[in-house]
Amino acid sequence: SQKIEQNSEALNIQEGKTATLTCNYTNYSPAYLQWYRQDPGRGPVFLLLIRENEKEKRKERLKVTFDTTLKQSLFHITASQPADSATYLCALGSGGGADGLTFGKGTHLIIQP
Amino acid sequence: DAGVIQSPRHEVTEMGQEVTLRCKPISGHNSLFWYRQTMMRGLELLIYFNNNVPIDDSGMPEDRFSAKMPNASFSTLKIQPSEPRDSAVYFCASSLMSEGEQFFGPGTRLTVL
Repeated sequence: SQKIEQNSEALNIQEGKTATLTCNYTNYSPAYLQWYRQDPGRGPVFLLLIRENEKEKRKERLKVTFDTTLKQSLFHITASQPADSATYLCALGSGGGADGLTFGKGTHLIIQP
Repeated sequence: DAGVIQSPRHEVTEMGQEVTLRCKPISGHNSLFWYRQTMMRGLELLIYFNNNVPIDDSGMPEDRFSAKMPNASFSTLKIQPSEPRDSAVYFCASSLMSEGEQFFGPGTRLTVL
C-alpha cells in the first residue's frame, strides 16, 4: 500500500539556522508533490508545489527538492525564525486532472530563539 | 475573498445521530475536496468533486458517509448514523485548477459521544 513517511518526532532548530524536513514515500509514483504548513486549530496552508520532472523549487526562504529515484523530497527553511514554528505536511498527487492529495502525518518544527 | 467557509466550526452529538457538515468553496474554484484529520491517521482524503461531479469517493469509510455538491457554491458531508470513531476534524478544500494548490477551510471539529 502507499506510504508516506515524515519525521514523527518534533524537530528543534535554533533561530537563524536552516531547518530541513524529510518526506519519503513508497509504492507511489506521484506526478507532483506539495508542501503545506498547518498551525494549531487551523487548516493547512499551501507553500510549494514541485513536479516529477523538476529537481528543485524555491520561494523566498523556502526550498524544496524532489528525487524520484530516492522517492524523497526535502524541504528547507533558511534563516529560520520562531514564526516558522508549525507542523509541515507533504502531500503527493497522482496527476491526470484535479485529484485529491495523499498526505504524510507531518513534522512538528520548533524554532527556538 | 472570504476563503473556504465551513459550518459548523464545532459539533458535539450523540452516537446514532445524523450529522451534516457544510462547505462553501472559493468562488470560481471548480474542484472541491473533503478530508478528515485525526492524530492516529493524519489527514485523509474522503471524496472529491470536479465541476460538481464526484470523481473519487474511495476514501469514504463506510456507507454511513455521503457527500453531495448540488451546485458550484455548496457541498455537504453527511454521517448517518454517527459513531464515536467518527470524531475528528473535517476539512473542506477547493482549488482553481487541476493539480493546483488547495485552499483549506478552518475545519469542523466533530465529537461523537
